[in-house]
Amino acid sequence: GAVVSQHPSWVICKSGTSVKIECRSLDFQATTMFWYRQFPKQSLMLMATSNEGSKATYEQGVEKDKFLINHASLTLSTLTVTSAHPEDSSFYICSAILAGGPYEQYFGPGTRLTVT
Amino acid sequence: QKEVEQDPGPLSVPEGAIVSLNCTYSNSAFQYFMWYRQYSRKGPELLMYTYSSGNKEDGRFTAQVDKSSKYISLFIRDSQPSDSATYLCAMRKETSGSRLTFGEGTQLTVNP
Repeated sequence: GAVVSQHPSWVICKSGTSVKIECRSLDFQATTMFWYRQFPKQSLMLMATSNEGSKATYEQGVEKDKFLINHASLTLSTLTVTSAHPEDSSFYICSAILAGGPYEQYFGPGTRLTVT
Repeated sequence: QKEVEQDPGPLSVPEGAIVSLNCTYSNSAFQYFMWYRQYSRKGPELLMYTYSSGNKEDGRFTAQVDKSSKYISLFIRDSQPSDSATYLCAMRKETSGSRLTFGEGTQLTVNP
């Protein structure tokens, strides 16, 4: 149980285009999902907290107009990287928490974004 | 100063060795402690979860929390090549909801 999927697992896009990453909780409902970014050999950096039906809360230094987050249902959150640039190339990971607890995060497999 | 400190390694051990991974933290408000395993280009997988001080054992894995010293450990017995991964400690406060603070991660290689 508590499986989180991400799609796509790897995406290459051209500079200036936008790309959408999906995060789904497959066998549970998640009122809260988190989006992280991870650079090679570094730890996870929290980008934003996404709550179903409300606006995401972004961490300091994360551009909310560049990283659009939508949590439209209890099983789906999306991250859209708008006007992507090569410096946005990274590994993006989402996690989800079971509605009603416990409050442990279950992570998706990650999405590797390469902007050329 | 980081709230959570973890030696990034890399750590290389022979198969069958006992591995000790550690994290220290500075904020006594942390109450819940976790260890995640992350294989290359994959998402983290929850290995162990403990609340407050004490030990917890699960198969070859033992997690220890010493709140008085602000120190947590993960021990891996009879290490296997399949244990080669990055191990991340994480912790959260009672008041921070489900928000986690991660260590930097320790890269472990178990050599056959």
